[in-house]
Parts: sequence; C-alpha cells; structure tokens
Amino acid sequence: DVKVTQSSRYLVKRTGEKVFLECVQDMDHENMFWYRQDPGLGLRLIYFSYDVKMKEKGDIPEGYSVSREKKERFSLILESASTNQTSMYLCASTTSNDRLFTDTQYFGPGTRLTVL
Amino acid sequence: AQKVTQAQTEISVVEKEDVTLDCVYETRDTTYYLFWYKQPPSGELVFLIRRNSFDEQNEISGRYSWNFQKSTSSFNFTITASQVVDSAVYFCALGQFQGAQKLVFGQGTRLTINP
Repeated sequence: DVKVTQSSRYLVKRTGEKVFLECVQDMDHENMFWYRQDPGLGLRLIYFSYDVKMKEKGDIPEGYSVSREKKERFSLILESASTNQTSMYLCASTTSNDRLFTDTQYFGPGTRLTVL
Repeated sequence: AQKVTQAQTEISVVEKEDVTLDCVYETRDTTYYLFWYKQPPSGELVFLIRRNSFDEQNEISGRYSWNFQKSTSSFNFTITASQVVDSAVYFCALGQFQGAQKLVFGQGTRLTINP
C-alpha cells in the first residue's frame, strides 16, 4: 500500500514565522506535489517536483518555496507566514511523470495550518 | 484555460436515496483525463476513477456509476442506494500533461447521507 505521510495534522503559527511542512512517501515515487485546499476553491497546485532537487511552480507559488533533497521527502516552506496562508495543505505523490496518467496521485492526510 | 466546475456545494439526502454529483469541465485539448476523488473526514483524497477523453463509455462499479458526455463536457457521478459511509467531500479533476502531470480540481461537493 502506498503511504504518504505529513508531519503534522494541525499546526498553529504566528504571522512572520518560518514554517516547514514535511511530506514523506514510501513507494519510491518520482513525482511529488503540494496543494492547498480552501472552501469553495477546491485544491490548487502550489509546487511540484519530478525528481530530486527539481521543482516547478504550480498555479499559486507566491509566498511559498519547496525543497526536495531526497526522493522520498518533499518540504513546503512558508518563508514568512501570513494570515492568508491559513489553509489545509495536501501532499501527493505518483510514480512517474507519464502522459497517460497511468498511476493516480496518492494523497497524504493533510496539514491544517492556522496563521494567527 | 482549463477549468472544472462542481456547481453543487452541498448535497444532503436520506440513506438509500440515489444522488448525482455534477461535474462540468473546460479544456481546449483533445487529450485529457478526468478523475473523481473522495475525501472522507480523515482528510486524504481517495481515488475513485480515471477516464480518458477518448473513452466515453459509462462505467459502473458497485453502487457507483459515472456518465461521461463530451458533447456537454460533463462527467457526472451517481451513487445508487446511498449509505452513511458515502458522506464525504467529492472532487472532480481534469488532468492534462503540460510538461508534467497537472490536475485541475473542481470546488468539491460536500455530500451528507442522513440515516
């Protein structure tokens, strides 16, 4: 069974703090993704990575950065957290970057971040 | 631009009723993929189905069925004889390869099945 884990289910931070959200997958997946989920907006892609040390911007990268030093781990970084970054953050992974979407994206349980 | 619209924000039905969740998508591409995911209260999205743009056959899996109609750009999801365990948020998504796999999600529909 594919397992995608996220370091925290709930996190409360203060405005201006640097925040790290960690995601680990145990199935040797090449691709990893970070989404944020907001009511009425669905999931929106922040960043993704198709290989170690590679990263690509998604649709809403502003205010975020990422790090992928090892294949199994993909970190989302909020350099200076702001209240408008209060959201649910979901990590996902999939086996390969293929055109046919042969394998689905597997999601972690999410981290609900509150920025005060 | 790619877009997915799930116009139903919330649906509430009584157990054993049939319920249909609507999904309308927009894309200019001829090759694309459509997905449905379920998000139970535990949080992680669970994959339900993937359909490619060249396969318009409807699909049935137990109590779940999907109706894909390219003519109306819709990919609707029906649950027959709903159960309380079907309560969740359901997302429709459009997948396109743009140098990498990208999924565009709809807003989600919160489905509540009341006993």
